[in-house]
Amino acid sequence: GQQVMQIPQYQHVQEGEDFTTYCNSSTTLSNIQWYKQRPGGHPVFLIQLVKSGEVKKQKRLTFQFGEAKKNSSLHITATQTTDVGTYFCAGPVYNQGGKLIFGQGTELSVKP
Amino acid sequence: DTEVTQTPKHLVMGMTNKKSLKCEQHMGHRAMYWYKQKAKKPPELMFVYSYEKLSINESVPSRFSPECPNSSLLNLHLHALQPEDSALYLCASTPRGPGDGEKLFFGSGTQLSVL
Repeated sequence: GQQVMQIPQYQHVQEGEDFTTYCNSSTTLSNIQWYKQRPGGHPVFLIQLVKSGEVKKQKRLTFQFGEAKKNSSLHITATQTTDVGTYFCAGPVYNQGGKLIFGQGTELSVKP
Repeated sequence: DTEVTQTPKHLVMGMTNKKSLKCEQHMGHRAMYWYKQKAKKPPELMFVYSYEKLSINESVPSRFSPECPNSSLLNLHLHALQPEDSALYLCASTPRGPGDGEKLFFGSGTQLSVL
């Protein structure tokens, strides 16, 4: 069946270092969404990418959607302790009424 | 109001108990969702209501029974649960019916422990 793989599973960085998480789908996606879940919290929508090759920035966060619309990445420049949490990508399951399939998530910890 | 409100925040129940989880949103969203999330795992879809009708049931055991009394409310009735059902139960909503490109607004969840 359709799969969304996300790596790495965990990433520990020193504050100020950069961080990247990668998402790969087994099928072409019409769009991809990114969510952040703080420890003990709930997922919060960050962004949606729709176009092939699209790049969007939110302050220190840069999101990319691959040309083939099968992969995506989230890059954080100069991490801060407020970036701690788990980042999930999610893509729609083909022909299933908007059902989202989530990647396994990347848990980011930042050492001050 | 841009929130999805879930009650209770924590629930401990025995395997013979009957309890209900509640979810409410006043954003005028027309689709509401129940997700189950185990620790260190992504959310797993359980049910979707679109315009107050059940549109997706992900083959969830009958001990979980959803209900959508109106477009703002979503309940999840629990009966005869198993310890492995312990998890964070998340409610979410989307502005229109479930469809590509709809972003999920999640509630803060109910942390359920089944003893």
